[in-house]
Parts: sequence; C-alpha cells; structure tokens
Amino acid sequence: NAGVTQTPKFRVLKTGQSMTLLCAQDMNHEYMYWYRQDPGMGLRLIHYSVGEGTTAKGEVPDGYNVSRLKKQNFLLGLESAAPSQTSVYFCASKSSGPKNIQYFGAGTRLSVL
Amino acid sequence: KNQVEQSPQSLIILEGKNCTLQCNYTVSPFSNLRWYKQDTGRGPVSLTIMTFSENTKSNGRYTATLDADTKQSSLHITASQLSDSASYICVVSALIRGGADGLTFGKGTHLIIQP
Repeated sequence: NAGVTQTPKFRVLKTGQSMTLLCAQDMNHEYMYWYRQDPGMGLRLIHYSVGEGTTAKGEVPDGYNVSRLKKQNFLLGLESAAPSQTSVYFCASKSSGPKNIQYFGAGTRLSVL
Repeated sequence: KNQVEQSPQSLIILEGKNCTLQCNYTVSPFSNLRWYKQDTGRGPVSLTIMTFSENTKSNGRYTATLDADTKQSSLHITASQLSDSASYICVVSALIRGGADGLTFGKGTHLIIQP
C-alpha cells in the first residue's frame, strides 16, 4: 500500500450528514479510483479519474461526488449519507499503460447510522 | 455483463501444504488478469498480472495460470506459510474510456493456513 494514503481510517456518520474522504498518492500517477467493498461482494468502482481536472462515473456512482483538483489528490464526497453507504472505501492509483497495476490505499471504514 | 467467479469461497489448509484457487471470467474486451492478496483490514496488493498471450506467471511461491480460450485462471500456492492467510482476489481488466482500467473483481477466496 506504499504511496497511497487514505484519510480518515474510520468514521461514523448519522444519516443525512456529509463528509469527504481524501486520497493522496505520491507516485505521480495519472489514474485514480474510488471503490467500495461490501461483505460477500467484490470491490465495485464508484468513480475514477484519468487525470487532473477530470472525473467519470463507475459502476455505482449514485450518492457520491468526486473531485480531482490536484493530480495527487482524489476526493470522494457524500453529500447526504445513507445507511446503504456503510462500507469500506478503497482508493487506488496507477500510471498510464494497460499492464500497470493499481496500488491501493489501506481503506476507510465508514458506518452510517 | 462482465463477471468474475472464484472458487472455493473459503479454504483451510495446513501449513506447508499446497493449494490451488480457481477463477472463471466473462469480461470483454479482455485486457489482462490479475491476482491480488488482501490481508484483513488492508488494501489489496498485486501478486501477478497476465495478458492474453501469457499463460503462466510466478511470484515467489505464487504461480498463476491463464487459459484465455476457456476463460479460466488459477493461483497455485506452494509450501504455504501462516502469512499466506488472506483473501485472494481475481481481477479481470477491460480497457475503458481514456485508457483507465475497467476492473471486474471476484468476491475472493478466503484462505486460512493452520499451524
């Protein structure tokens, strides 16, 4: 997980509250991703970015927004948290090229009550 | 719909024994297949990556195989160690817009190594 840092590591929210998850990478990677991991399911892509200032929707984007104002940072926002957003969130980054691997952060465990 | 199926769901073996994990996929257009190891409470870490033309790739005691015709892959672990206890995730990549990865993740095989 070297090079990709997620903050915070844990968070508890009440329904309707908002928060921002921060992902920072120091590897000068072009591509960054946000995933969620739920019990009994594979990781699912929420949003991704192919470069500074660009974002795109993934498989499960509803209820989330993202921003990539700086190349090294990728922010995931929850405007009005819902219990269905209780999950572990992972950020990943990779350099350009189809065979380059994604490096993952350690994850953020979010509970929405 | 792109899918990745892994088996078994969980596996318990004794330390020092070998094991093989399976992955079947339906992903198009196929770019490459990766195996990741995920320790409890940590993010996934890449073990191997194989493209269409590669049918085997090793990383220490881990050996992955790929049969692109049958769309199957396996991960073989030799002489297992307690530190091998983890979830092993098969991930298949399809190229999407802008060159980013379109990764489809399997649910993982939860492997427990017993002393």
